[in-house]
Amino acid sequence: QQPVQSPQAVILREGEDAVINCSSSKALYSVHWYRQKHGEAPVFLMILLKGGEQMRHEKISASFNEKKQQSSLYLTASQLSYSGTYFCGTELGLGAGSYQLTFGKGTKLSVIP
Amino acid sequence: SAVISQKPSRDICQRGTSLTIQCQVDSQVTMMFWYRQQPGQSLTLIATANQGSEATYESGFVIDKFPISRPNLTFSTLTVSNMSPEDSSIYLCSVVLTSGANTGELFFGEGSRLTVL
Repeated sequence: QQPVQSPQAVILREGEDAVINCSSSKALYSVHWYRQKHGEAPVFLMILLKGGEQMRHEKISASFNEKKQQSSLYLTASQLSYSGTYFCGTELGLGAGSYQLTFGKGTKLSVIP
Repeated sequence: SAVISQKPSRDICQRGTSLTIQCQVDSQVTMMFWYRQQPGQSLTLIATANQGSEATYESGFVIDKFPISRPNLTFSTLTVSNMSPEDSSIYLCSVVLTSGANTGELFFGEGSRLTVL
């Protein structure tokens, strides 16, 4: 039940916007977003809960469409520091509160000057 | 927040041997997870190790191959037994905070990169 992320990779110039999508075939309780830079540990960005509101972390925001079991991560006015691989992690509805996440394959984001 | 220290950070091992990875957390946490990540790939959950209960393993992972200990709320070990080259990977320890402003946030260790020859 690995969630599907798209696109697999994206290259942006500083200041441009991007959207990363994450979709699941299963009913979800929550969607987590993490960013991992090369050689480093993944770092938490935000959680979206079933029935919750759109979240924001600096100039990065995300939404969760419960009907479609899909989440989108919006990166606005990208900065060089946004470069890295973005992973969505999903928690199934039946496992609510277990925090046992299934991660997508990741989206590699490269921001160039 | 939580700060996680993992040891070793990397190791090269011989086929058929076993290696134990240690995970130390700077605060008491109930829920701890072990993940595996091939370089450039996604993270795969191996097992959940909650203090006071037996570790629960995900499909494809068994206790004989990946025994886990969780003696207290700040420490855990993962052993990779009878290693083969297919076990070459990065193993990450992770904890989740279940109260406070960081509820639900997973914190990861820097990982232990194993190479099996």
